[in-house]
Amino acid sequence: DTAVSQTPKYLVTQMGNDKSIKCEQNLGHDTMYWYKQDSKKFLKIMFSYNNKELIINETVPNRFSPKSPDKAHLNLHINSLELGDSAVYFCASSQMLSNYGYTFGSGTRLTVV
Amino acid sequence: KNEVEQSPQNLTAQEGEFITINCSYSVGISALHWLQQHPGGGIVSLFMLSSGKKKHGRLIATINIQEKHSSLHITASHPRDSAVYICAVGGRDDKIIFGKGTRLHILP
Repeated sequence: DTAVSQTPKYLVTQMGNDKSIKCEQNLGHDTMYWYKQDSKKFLKIMFSYNNKELIINETVPNRFSPKSPDKAHLNLHINSLELGDSAVYFCASSQMLSNYGYTFGSGTRLTVV
Repeated sequence: KNEVEQSPQNLTAQEGEFITINCSYSVGISALHWLQQHPGGGIVSLFMLSSGKKKHGRLIATINIQEKHSSLHITASHPRDSAVYICAVGGRDDKIIFGKGTRLHILP
């Protein structure tokens, strides 16, 4: 199926651990994003990559590092996880300069204990 | 003041009612998006607008660039329309700013 797929769907881990969330899209889009949805359900952009190049890097701790090995993948690596990192993380993709919106992944619920 | 304001925050209506959700923004934009987040958490992009009006099924989205305002309308609402509707604006610097969402509950 054509989609944005992110894994894992759920991730429970201890404080201080390092974890990665993977995202892949097979839509041929040239831009991929990571968003964080906090406990109040407020969405905020974290990063945006266009053709493997970082174009948006919002104010997030440098413990968060996106990695884009190719334009179909944008992985999110988080070092030294903290309790406040608990949230739902969404990956999305779009085709820049098109008339179409975003396609979102189903989200990864990260719980840091 | 938030750069993207949605109203109402919560809306409960009876099945069949005409629904309007409003979005006002204070920044220059390249496009405005309406998103739907299902109770299960998944997010779907409904519309992307830079001018005028778009229609998809029972959903209609309009934007007035001069007034910096957009509306999302749902005709003949149905319980399956119950979701959170999020307005997001894409700035000219490619950044996306989200509204806080409108929680819609349609009663059968």
